[in-house]
Amino acid sequence: LAKTTQPISMDSYEGQEVNITCSHNNIATNDYITWYQQFPSQGPRFIIQGYKTKVTNEVASLFIPADRKSSTLSLPRVSLSDTAVYYCLVGATGANNLFFGTGTRLTVIP
Amino acid sequence: DAGVTQSPTHLIKTRGQQVTLRCSPKSGHDTVSWYQQALGQGPQFIFQYYEEEERQRGNFPDRFSGHQFPNYSSELNVNALLLGDSALYLCASSPFRLATYNEQFFGPGTRLTVL
Repeated sequence: LAKTTQPISMDSYEGQEVNITCSHNNIATNDYITWYQQFPSQGPRFIIQGYKTKVTNEVASLFIPADRKSSTLSLPRVSLSDTAVYYCLVGATGANNLFFGTGTRLTVIP
Repeated sequence: DAGVTQSPTHLIKTRGQQVTLRCSPKSGHDTVSWYQQALGQGPQFIFQYYEEEERQRGNFPDRFSGHQFPNYSSELNVNALLLGDSALYLCASSPFRLATYNEQFFGPGTRLTVL
C-alpha cells in the first residue's frame, strides 16, 4: 500500500474554496486515489475516488496530475458543517483493507 | 434502508477482561471489516470477514478475533484487555466485489475504554 502525506490541519473561512493536497510518491500503476471524510464520533464516509485527471461529484472535485504522485481534493464554498478530518487513501480497487493515515483536520471559521 | 449498525455505543472494561462488539452490515453487503481508531489517529485495519471466514488481517495480535454469522453480521472479540486497547472500534461493510470503487460504509463505532 502506497504511503500518503497530507497537511495535519487547515483553517478556512466559510464560503471559500478549500484545496487539500496529498502526496503519494510511490503510487502503483493499479492504485486508485480515494478520499474519506470523518466527523467527530462518527465513522468515515466515502467522498470521491479517481485514477487520473479530474473527477467531480456533487460534493467535491479531485485533481490528479499526469505523474499521479499527488492529488488535490477541492471543496467548493465550504460551510461550518464541512469541519471534519479528511483522509487520502491510495490502493487498488477491491482492496478491502483500507489504509488510513492521520488525515487533515479542516476547521471552517465563520 | 438501515446503514451499518454497531452495539454497544460505549463500553467500559478493566484490564484483563474480555469484550465482544457487534456489527450488522448495510443491507445487501456480505463483507465486514473491523478497524481500530485511537484518539487522534486514523482507523487501523484489524481484519475482514467474508463467507464466515477471516479473509485478511492487519497487524494485530491474536487476542483480537472475530466471527461472521450466516446473516453477514459480525462480532469482534478482544481478550486480555490492555489499557492500549482503549479506542473507537469501527465496523465497515461492503459488497465482496467492490468493482471500481474503494467505498466501504462505516458504522458509528463502539467507544471502548479500558481502565
